[in-house]
Amino acid sequence: DIQMTQSPSSLSASVGDRVTITCRASQSISSYLNWYQQKPGKAPKLLIYAASSLQSGVPSRFSGSGSGTDFTLTISSLQPEDFATYYCQQSYSTPGFGPGTKVDIK
Amino acid sequence: QVQLVQSGAEVKKPGASVKVSCKASGYTFTSYGISWVRQAPGQGLEWMGWISAYNGNTNYAQKLQGRVTMTTDTSTSTAYMELRSLRSDDTAVYYCARLGGHDAFDIWGQGTMVTVSS
Repeated sequence: DIQMTQSPSSLSASVGDRVTITCRASQSISSYLNWYQQKPGKAPKLLIYAASSLQSGVPSRFSGSGSGTDFTLTISSLQPEDFATYYCQQSYSTPGFGPGTKVDIK
Repeated sequence: QVQLVQSGAEVKKPGASVKVSCKASGYTFTSYGISWVRQAPGQGLEWMGWISAYNGNTNYAQKLQGRVTMTTDTSTSTAYMELRSLRSDDTAVYYCARLGGHDAFDIWGQGTMVTVSS
């Protein structure tokens, strides 16, 4: 199975900050990488699919990049509603999720 | 609107079975597959398996093989996930999710809490 890692596991940031989260796959997954946001007590929400495509309705401050084994999710200017946990997920083979990155208020 | 609505919370004893339902609306049910994902308390997301709503083909996570069965009822646009021989570490929120056209889970159910306790 392909293993997914994320860094950092958590971070503290302020409203307006630029935030970058990294996801790494144990082998090349081309661009088969998706990003989700999850708030406490809620289902995950798709933000980015195919590494860099913005899901309909998702604010443009979210962006994704990367291919192969290394990927990033960037929030250009953190908003109060963005404090959540973010997961990457590979869809290259049997689906697997990263362990998550919790973004909280500094 | 496009949505998946799941059945309510369950409490089960170890060794029992649970069957969770996921009713789709707002789209053509047979045009997409459904995956099931679970999340233990305070933990991350674990993919359990997938079923094609078109022909019923399934693909289960290896660790759950033999204990999980996923089915669909196209007459009611409902997907089901049954987990048998429940253990305490099966306690989790269980989500159904639509596998969209870009190999991503684009629509999620609200989640069903399954508690396994004696």
